[in-house]
Amino acid sequence: KAGVTQTPRYLIKTRGQQVTLSCSPISGHRSVSWYQQTPGQGLQFLFEYFSETQRNKGNFPGRFSGRQFSNSRSEMNVSTLELGDSALYLCASSFPRTGDRGYTFGSGTRLTVV
Amino acid sequence: SQQGEEDPQALSIQEGENATMNCSYKTSINNLQWYRQNSGRGLVHLILIRSNEREKHSGRLRVTLDTSKKSSSLLITASRAADTASYFCATDANDYKLSFGAGTTVTVRA
Repeated sequence: KAGVTQTPRYLIKTRGQQVTLSCSPISGHRSVSWYQQTPGQGLQFLFEYFSETQRNKGNFPGRFSGRQFSNSRSEMNVSTLELGDSALYLCASSFPRTGDRGYTFGSGTRLTVV
Repeated sequence: SQQGEEDPQALSIQEGENATMNCSYKTSINNLQWYRQNSGRGLVHLILIRSNEREKHSGRLRVTLDTSKKSSSLLITASRAADTASYFCATDANDYKLSFGAGTTVTVRA
């Protein structure tokens, strides 16, 4: 079956712009979570959605937001981009709810802010 | 903030040798998972061990968990060049997220 699909793979944006990243989970997976990976901070949890409801949110400013659609696809948005937002953004999906069989990650979106 | 630390930060071994890396964490957990990442790509789930388990095997992987010491170890036996990657432990505290360690970079020399 198809894996977790993240689009786009690469993105270059200018400071102050906004960006939307997309994630399509594995068919049947209803939980989608997002992580930011940087060399300095490592892998940091952003938020998790299940059945269109955000169940947990990491310690990120309000510029970072997300949503999940009825087909479980998810998007995350970053507004007013800063240089420090340059990172690899990873999406993960899981089934059943709590990921007690592990998560499947997408290949990520590499965002560069210039 | 990250849940804990991994040790060592980097490891270089000869093909055929075993690789051992350790992970420590801070809070109570539901399970602990290990992931592999190749060259900044996505994470691949390797193995999950529940808090009531002490040891688990999967192919050439062996994971131990000591909840009293809040630590885990991952052993890769008979390493291959294809095992060259970064390895991350991640804890699940049943709060719908994973908390990752800083990772161990493993280089397997031919």
